[in-house]
Amino acid sequence: KAGVTQTPRYLIKTRGQQVTLSCSPISGHRSVSWYQQTPGQGLQFLFEYFSETQRNKGNFPGRFSGRQFSNSRSEMNVSTLELGDSALYLCASSSRQGLNTEAFFGQGTRLTVV
Amino acid sequence: DQQVKQNSPSLSVQEGRISILNCDYTNSMFDYFLWYKKYPAEGPTFLISISSIKDKNEDGRFTVFLNKSAKHLSLHIVPSQPGDSAVYFCAGNNAGNMLTFGGGTRLMVKP
Repeated sequence: KAGVTQTPRYLIKTRGQQVTLSCSPISGHRSVSWYQQTPGQGLQFLFEYFSETQRNKGNFPGRFSGRQFSNSRSEMNVSTLELGDSALYLCASSSRQGLNTEAFFGQGTRLTVV
Repeated sequence: DQQVKQNSPSLSVQEGRISILNCDYTNSMFDYFLWYKKYPAEGPTFLISISSIKDKNEDGRFTVFLNKSAKHLSLHIVPSQPGDSAVYFCAGNNAGNMLTFGGGTRLMVKP
């Protein structure tokens, strides 16, 4: 069974630009979550989607958005990039919504904003 | 407000010995806890989990203990191997697949 796939692996963008990251969950998984990892803030939850609906959102500005498609693939978008958005963005998929569910992570997308 | 804390940023252990990684939490709504292992520039790898209704879960060399009254959990690795060297994160989940992570502990297992 293929794991969680994130594309691209690396990305360099300029301040003010926007970026879209993609995540394909494990086959059969319907829940996709996004996390940001930075040296200063650690691993922080961005948002979670289940069956194309955003269920939870972390404490991030509105420049961070996402969506999920009917095949459970998900994208996240960051508009008006700032230097502080440089981070490793991780996607995780889970088999179901709710309690007692392990989340499996992709390799991440390393975003550098210059 | 750090809901999950890993107070030891690093731990060094001799190969073959026990590694004990600790984690404290403040959110009583967490009902599920998970441990992940992470290498630089890669995604976290799931290791082991425990429901809040249990106090111990074992999987091979990995055992997680939960002390709910103390809001404390620990991961025991026995015996430790050099390949276990990585950063370990504990995380709490209070439904909705929204994990709250600790800051991580870097484990170094010396041959």
